[in-house]
Amino acid sequence: DTGVSQDPRHKITKRGQNVTFRCDPISEHNRLYWYRQTLGQGPEFLTYFQNEAQLEKSRLLSDRFSAERPKGSFSTLEIQRTEQGDSAMYLCASSLVSGQDTIYFGEGSWLTVV
Amino acid sequence: AQRVTQPEKLLSVFKGAPVELKCNYSYSGSPELFWYVQYSRQRLQLLLRHISRESIKGFTADLNKGETSFHLKKPFAQEEDSAMYYCALVSSVNYGGSQGNLIFGKGTKLSVKP
Repeated sequence: DTGVSQDPRHKITKRGQNVTFRCDPISEHNRLYWYRQTLGQGPEFLTYFQNEAQLEKSRLLSDRFSAERPKGSFSTLEIQRTEQGDSAMYLCASSLVSGQDTIYFGEGSWLTVV
Repeated sequence: AQRVTQPEKLLSVFKGAPVELKCNYSYSGSPELFWYVQYSRQRLQLLLRHISRESIKGFTADLNKGETSFHLKKPFAQEEDSAMYYCALVSSVNYGGSQGNLIFGKGTKLSVKP
C-alpha cells in the first residue's frame, strides 16, 4: 500500500503525558495536512505544510500542539501535557500541491487520554 | 463564516430505493465542493467533486448556487453503498488562514437494508 501511512494507529495515554504521531505522505506529494476528528463530527483542519514550511495553523491548535515536517517528507504531530479533551482521531492527508488536487487521507491515529 | 451543513445524521433506505444525501453550504465566493465516503474500517476517500461533473459508483451531485446546496443522489441504492458520507468545501480564499483546506460537514451515515 503506497498510500498515506500513520503511526501509531492507536495510543492510550495518561493525562499530562506527551504523545507524538507520525505521518508518511504519498511520495512526491508536496502538501501535508493534519486534521482532528471527534465522535459525531467531521474532520477539522489543524495545520498544513507545503514541503517543509508550515503555512497555516488552525485556532484549534493550542500551544500544546506542535507539528513538524523537517525534510519535507514525513511529519510529526506532538501533543504535550495531554488533556482528556484531546481524545480524538488524528488524520493525516497529503496532496500534490493545493486544494485543486485530490487530498488522500491516512487511516488515522486514535488517541485516548485517560 | 464558511460552513457545511449535513442535516441528517442517519439515512436508512431499502436496496433499490433512491437515495439523496443533503448538503448545504455557506460560502462567500465560488466554492469547490466534494463528497467523501468512509466505508467500514476503511480510510476516508474522495467520492466525487463538483468541478469534474462525473458519476462515481452511480452517484451524482449537482451544485445549486441559488439554494447553496450540493446534494448527493443515486437512483438505486445498493447494500455496498452503506457508509459514512461527508460533504466538504475547499476554502479558496484566505479565510482564517485555511486556504486550500477542506471544511467538512458532520457526515451522514447511510444504511442500505436488503
